[in-house]
Amino acid sequence: EVQLVESGGGLVKPGGSLRLSCAASGFPFSKAWMSWVRQAPGKGLEWVGRIKSKTDGGTIDYAAPVKDRFSISRDDSKNILYLQMNSLKTEDTAVYYCTLDGYIESWFFHVWGRGTLVSVSS
Amino acid sequence: DIQMTQSPSSLSASVGGRVIITCRASQSITSYLNWYQQKPGKAPKLLIYGTSNLQTGVPSRLSGRGSGTDFTLTISSLQPEDFATYYCQQSFSTPWTFGQGTKVESK
Repeated sequence: EVQLVESGGGLVKPGGSLRLSCAASGFPFSKAWMSWVRQAPGKGLEWVGRIKSKTDGGTIDYAAPVKDRFSISRDDSKNILYLQMNSLKTEDTAVYYCTLDGYIESWFFHVWGRGTLVSVSS
Repeated sequence: DIQMTQSPSSLSASVGGRVIITCRASQSITSYLNWYQQKPGKAPKLLIYGTSNLQTGVPSRLSGRGSGTDFTLTISSLQPEDFATYYCQQSFSTPWTFGQGTKVESK
């Protein structure tokens, strides 16, 4: 069974840092493209960024609001996806989901984790 | 960035009724359009990918169609488990973007 389990969320002050992890199982993680998607309280979904598999070049793309502050990485030996968040702002408060991306005629967020809540507040 | 606009933002419908949700892209996304369902406190779930392909396990009362800039999600006979919020999402180009969501409530 494909499973994604996020961890590392919590309360952090503005300007602080946090690293989220996503433990993956049930599929060949090293071949997977993975994304982070967030959802502010009571709001819609926002794509944060995506990392390709190393065999596909390992390219990372970010949404404009997080570029230069957030960094996505992966450890294929441990089947873990990371999201390093620096210079956090109150508007970064959200549930952060990691997703396994799929492609059949279109890229899509195939499987989602349960999410981890990040609260940025003084 | 490609903007995705859903309408309506919310709707009320009865069990057995027909529901149509519209999603419009700010430029052509060909058929790179996906639909997700989210229930309160839960992660979103993929329903339809590539405009009209049902994800495994999704009931056939759901269907998607469209191309270019205009797309629809139809629920032919609304069931109690369909009350939820629905999001469209384009994967034509990064940043991948979502519509603002459509909440389907019980009338």
